[in-house]
Amino acid sequence: KAGVTQTPRYLIKTRGQQVTLSCSPISGHRSVSWYQQTPGQGLQFLFEYFSETQRNKGNFPGRFSGRQFSNSRSEMNVSTLELGDSALYLCASSLSDPTWNEQFFGPGTRLTVL
Amino acid sequence: SQQGEEDPQALSIQEGENATMNCSYKTSINNLQWYRQNSGRGLVHLILIRSNEREKHSGRLRVTLDTSKKSSSLLITASRAADTASYFCATYPGGSARQLTFGSGTQLTVLP
Repeated sequence: KAGVTQTPRYLIKTRGQQVTLSCSPISGHRSVSWYQQTPGQGLQFLFEYFSETQRNKGNFPGRFSGRQFSNSRSEMNVSTLELGDSALYLCASSLSDPTWNEQFFGPGTRLTVL
Repeated sequence: SQQGEEDPQALSIQEGENATMNCSYKTSINNLQWYRQNSGRGLVHLILIRSNEREKHSGRLRVTLDTSKKSSSLLITASRAADTASYFCATYPGGSARQLTFGSGTQLTVLP
């Protein structure tokens, strides 16, 4: 089985721009979660999608949004980028409920905002 | 804010030694999970322990959970250089906030 894939792996943007990151979960997994990892704040939950619906949301501003398609692939979008958005963005998939089931993580997208 | 805090923040040991990492959390939980992350890469799930369990084993890993002290420990026996990674605990408090909260992590270095 192929693992979780994320594209692109690296991204450089400037302040004020917007960015879209993509995540393809493991085949058959319907839940996709997104996390932001920074040296200062650690791993923080952004949101989780299940069957095309946002099921849970972390404490991030509205500039961070996401969606999930019918094939379970997910995208997250960050608008009006700020320097503090520089981070490793991780996506994880699981069969159903990520709070009770193993999550499989992708390699991440390293976003640098200049 | 982070629910779990790992201790120590960094640990350096010789190959063959045992490594113990601790995680403390603030609120009651339904389960606690341990993950490993190799430098700048995705996380790998190691083990999940439910709140009604006290100990769980998986290969060279042993996890204990003490809900009265709100703490968990991860023991890696007979460590190998390949165990060098960051280790995170993640808690699920239950209730409507159905999300995992990760701790700050322990950086383990195993010297050959």
